[in-house]
Amino acid sequence: DAGITQSPRHKVTETGTPVTLRCHQTENHRYMYWYRQDPGHGLRLIHYSYGVKDTDKGEVSDGYSVSRSKTEDFLLTLESATSSQTSVYFCAIRIGYEQYFGPGTRLTVT
Amino acid sequence: GENVEQHPSTLSVQEGDSAVIKCTYSDSASNYFPWYKQELGKGPQLIIDIRSNVGEKKDQRIAVTLNKTAKHFSLHITETQPEDSAVYFCAARINTGTASKLTFGTGTRLQVTL
Repeated sequence: DAGITQSPRHKVTETGTPVTLRCHQTENHRYMYWYRQDPGHGLRLIHYSYGVKDTDKGEVSDGYSVSRSKTEDFLLTLESATSSQTSVYFCAIRIGYEQYFGPGTRLTVT
Repeated sequence: GENVEQHPSTLSVQEGDSAVIKCTYSDSASNYFPWYKQELGKGPQLIIDIRSNVGEKKDQRIAVTLNKTAKHFSLHITETQPEDSAVYFCAARINTGTASKLTFGTGTRLQVTL
């Protein structure tokens, strides 16, 4: 997993509650990405980071925010979770051209 | 933006046969094309990739071909084995102002039967 961990691995939350997912890497890679995976859609980019405090939006960023205060941690926040945000979330790091993914977080919003 | 289409969505082959998965992309500026294998409950794993200046790349039983003119690339798995059963994703990379991004296909579920 290229030294990537995600926490929590599973979470069930209620509509309207805030949720933060954490991605942690151990090798000081500059670029980090958050994706969501849904049936029929493959993986879609939510946000990405190109350095500490440097982030930008992906194709499905509405309802999500991110923060990166340290090289090793990239946080994804759902300010007010909705049922449409039920998904599996993957973090990735980039080494050269290649992206390597973490084990994922399964989030269910009831 | 980039759009990647992947076919077929499901593929069933007998052990020992070959499997081919095809992808097309829309943006001629895309310059890198990885393939990922995802097993149940795990994150996608990079299995092979190809850059736009190369037409074919092979690694043991898997190979990838790229046709830049037609904007399509394919994954070939020969002598399939039960452990090849998984979901496979293709992707295309394009540079942006701040970082490169991957756009993924919708996946192919490969089942290798005995």
